[in-house]
Amino acid sequence: ILNVEQSPQSLHVQEGDSTNFTCSFPSSNFYALHWYRWETAKSPEALFVMTLNGDEKKKGRISATLNTKEGYSYLYIKGSQPEDSATYLCALDQTGANNLFFGTGTRLTVIP
Amino acid sequence: DGGITQSPKYLFRKEGQNVTLSCEQNLNHDAMYWYRQDPGQGLRLIYYSQIVNDFQKGDIAEGYSVSREKKESFPLTVTSAQKNPTAFYLCASSMRSRQGVSNQPQHFGDGTRLSIL
Repeated sequence: ILNVEQSPQSLHVQEGDSTNFTCSFPSSNFYALHWYRWETAKSPEALFVMTLNGDEKKKGRISATLNTKEGYSYLYIKGSQPEDSATYLCALDQTGANNLFFGTGTRLTVIP
Repeated sequence: DGGITQSPKYLFRKEGQNVTLSCEQNLNHDAMYWYRQDPGQGLRLIYYSQIVNDFQKGDIAEGYSVSREKKESFPLTVTSAQKNPTAFYLCASSMRSRQGVSNQPQHFGDGTRLSIL
């Protein structure tokens, strides 16, 4: 059983604050790391697919970094807004077959 | 609009009964996936299909069956052999590049919540 861990499990931040959370995974047999945002009553939405050690990706105020040697990825949100409130999931692909193993997510609440 | 449609949104099953969850996509994606979510756990892969008429077991396939007769459709049957079927089920799809399905983001439906009567 793979161990993809996300921390913290949940957090509350004030509007305008920047925040970050972590996804840890086994560093062996790495192929890709996915990040998804899952808003309540909606379907999960893809944010990033990261494959290379040292990769950094950005989408608006959200960015992510990847360290495959030590087995972690960080997701950063700059200037959090209430609409950023969601559960953020990371998922590991170890084979390239796009069979993802998901973490349990970080639930972010942005307080206006 | 292009997307993935799962139906029904809520489904109730009696003990010993098979039920089928529908998943249809009009994104022209080759690959499709079924996941299950239980409280406190991450999404777990049940079955996946990378191409029509082919599918593979995921991490928790026991008690489930699928078919992939059309590119657009990937129905999941929860059989009576699945002893704990109460869960939230998500269907997803992804593109297939010349390199295969790797590195392709998955697109998800809205899910079906299955409960046992």
